[in-house]
Amino acid sequence: SQTIHQWPATLVQPVGSPLSLECTVEGTSNPNLYWYRQAAGRGLQLLFYSVGIGQISSEVPQNLSASRPQDRQFILSSKKLLLSDSGFYLCAWTRGSGTQYFGPGTRLLVL
Amino acid sequence: EDKVVQSPLSLVVHEGDTVTLNCSYEVTNFRSLLWYKQEKKAPTFLFMLTSSGIEKKSGRLSSILDKKELFSILNITATQTGDSAIYLCAVANAGGTSYGKLTFGQGTILTVHP
Repeated sequence: SQTIHQWPATLVQPVGSPLSLECTVEGTSNPNLYWYRQAAGRGLQLLFYSVGIGQISSEVPQNLSASRPQDRQFILSSKKLLLSDSGFYLCAWTRGSGTQYFGPGTRLLVL
Repeated sequence: EDKVVQSPLSLVVHEGDTVTLNCSYEVTNFRSLLWYKQEKKAPTFLFMLTSSGIEKKSGRLSSILDKKELFSILNITATQTGDSAIYLCAVANAGGTSYGKLTFGQGTILTVHP
């Protein structure tokens, strides 16, 4: 069966520091991968998606970037965090069916 | 731009009540509509709907899609405190480079009191 992992689970970072969040998927190959941000427990905003290694599409202009160095690995990064980057970051995967399955999420607090 | 609107934004009920959550959408190239339940962490999948008028059921939860009027409802009967959560509606786009992308609504926060 497929599983999706994210780490770290929680993170507290100062403004201006770098960021790296990691997402890995097991039990499938060539998945579509997605990064979302959820603010204040509301709807999810799609940040990036990837249909293959090295292929990244950005949905909204922002202070973040994404990379996909391996088939089942998706990384969310920032060079300098802003206060507004605080939120709950979710990684998701899908393979054809349209149903996206989510990882456990990373709660980021920028101070 | 694809758009999903959920109502109500929040709802407080007592155990045993029946609730109906609404989701309306606009999407350029509709593939499917999905419902998720989110408690403290990741959203968990409830239903995927692709055809109008066919009800999907899982225990006390059911959902139906109307592709003509562009909406879906999620019903929960005999609510329990464990149903307290954020319920998210999303639509999947079938078109070109947007294939598989989900657009989410704001969510409905359901609180069930004992």
